[in-house]
Amino acid sequence: EDQVTQSPEALRLQEGESSSLNCSYTVSGLRGLFWYRQDPGKGPEFLFTLYSAGEEKEKERLKATLTKKESFLHITAPKPEDSATYLCAVHEGTALIFGKGTTLSVSS
Amino acid sequence: NAGVTQTPKFRILKIGQSMTLQCTQDMNHNYMYWYRQDPGMGLKLIYYSVGAGITDKGEVPNGYNVSRSTTEDFPLRLELAAPSQTSVYFCASSLTGGERTYNSPLHFGNGTRLTVT
Repeated sequence: EDQVTQSPEALRLQEGESSSLNCSYTVSGLRGLFWYRQDPGKGPEFLFTLYSAGEEKEKERLKATLTKKESFLHITAPKPEDSATYLCAVHEGTALIFGKGTTLSVSS
Repeated sequence: NAGVTQTPKFRILKIGQSMTLQCTQDMNHNYMYWYRQDPGMGLKLIYYSVGAGITDKGEVPNGYNVSRSTTEDFPLRLELAAPSQTSVYFCASSLTGGERTYNSPLHFGNGTRLTVT
């Protein structure tokens, strides 16, 4: 059973059309939930860390929130340059366990 | 700071050949990791290291070996390449990790794309 599940797998938006990406997790004793952005041919780039339910973090058009069982990455008025794969990960033991990602495409 | 640097960027191997993927970081991080990323499968942990001289297996270690003689370097060795090892390999590092309550994020290199034919 996957410990980190992301949905949807792919999302197509028009520029300015806000939406949310979901990350649900099943690990107990959460020691950090991480959001990354990955562009084609590049390594994942760190966006946010959330540690406790109710916590929120923002960066430009992105806002990450956390509950006891899931996290959302809200994208407000996206632009084409927000197109990327967004990865969610949680700490389990020594390293991060990653979800399979959501590929976001924003068209103008 | 260059961050995490991986070489080579691309490599094609024949079945049975061996090679070493290089990884170095200049952030003085204690923790280093090797992940592989296959289409639709997400990132899977191969090996990790919590400091110089200490390494341990991750989720998919078979067919790979690592060493950590310095804080900066964490090479990944493939001894007998197989088609199943065709993947993109990412090295990462972090300041803290393990069983801590709060863990710092991983910083990734830009990967090595390996094809085994």
